[in-house]
Amino acid sequence: NAGVMQNPRHLVRRRGQEARLRCSPVKGHSHVYWYRQLPEEGLKFMVYLQKENIIDESGMPKERFSAEFPKEGPSILRIQQVVRGDSAAYFCASSPQGLGTEAFFGQGTRLTVV
Amino acid sequence: AQTVTQSQPEMSVQEAETVTLSCTYDTSESDYYLFWYKQPPSRQMILVIRQEAYKQQNATENRFSVNFQKAAKSFSLKISDSQLGDAAMYFCAYRSARGGTSYGKLTFGQGTILTVHP
Repeated sequence: NAGVMQNPRHLVRRRGQEARLRCSPVKGHSHVYWYRQLPEEGLKFMVYLQKENIIDESGMPKERFSAEFPKEGPSILRIQQVVRGDSAAYFCASSPQGLGTEAFFGQGTRLTVV
Repeated sequence: AQTVTQSQPEMSVQEAETVTLSCTYDTSESDYYLFWYKQPPSRQMILVIRQEAYKQQNATENRFSVNFQKAAKSFSLKISDSQLGDAAMYFCAYRSARGGTSYGKLTFGQGTILTVHP
């Protein structure tokens, strides 16, 4: 589980700025998932990506949020024009190919919008 | 859509005692996976135990065991010989066994905060 790296761990942004959250999956994992955890709540699915493809973005707000997982480099969750309600912990998880395999989580990025 | 419900926002237990955390879920699928994750103050999500729905035998991992009742759609976690390090938020989670866009996606409950008293 030591392989999923998220950075930064903490990010402070003023309202209207952009937030970029990075996730490097476990080496060899081709599936990445982003989740959001609001205070005192469980994790909510946002988006599922494979290399260069968005597979399921049903949990992601239609505006201001975007995600990518390029052929090279980390997966990026981008939030434009942040608002106070975007303050949350954002978690990335990765898994290898194949059903039944476990997803490994990063330590999350806590975004605070001031 | 699947839902997962944890009806106990908080639980407490004395060190060395046993505690059971409840979880119910709703699904129309017959094949799926269920998980318990632990989230300590560090925020790291740690997998505690998993259960495949097609297996009748309840999963066990050292001091952690589950009571999986498929017909009742219930999946409780029992922690035996509780330790101070068990104090954390515990999440129950569901994952479909289907492929496609559902692949790997976890649906979480609201969480239960477990306090362990020395």
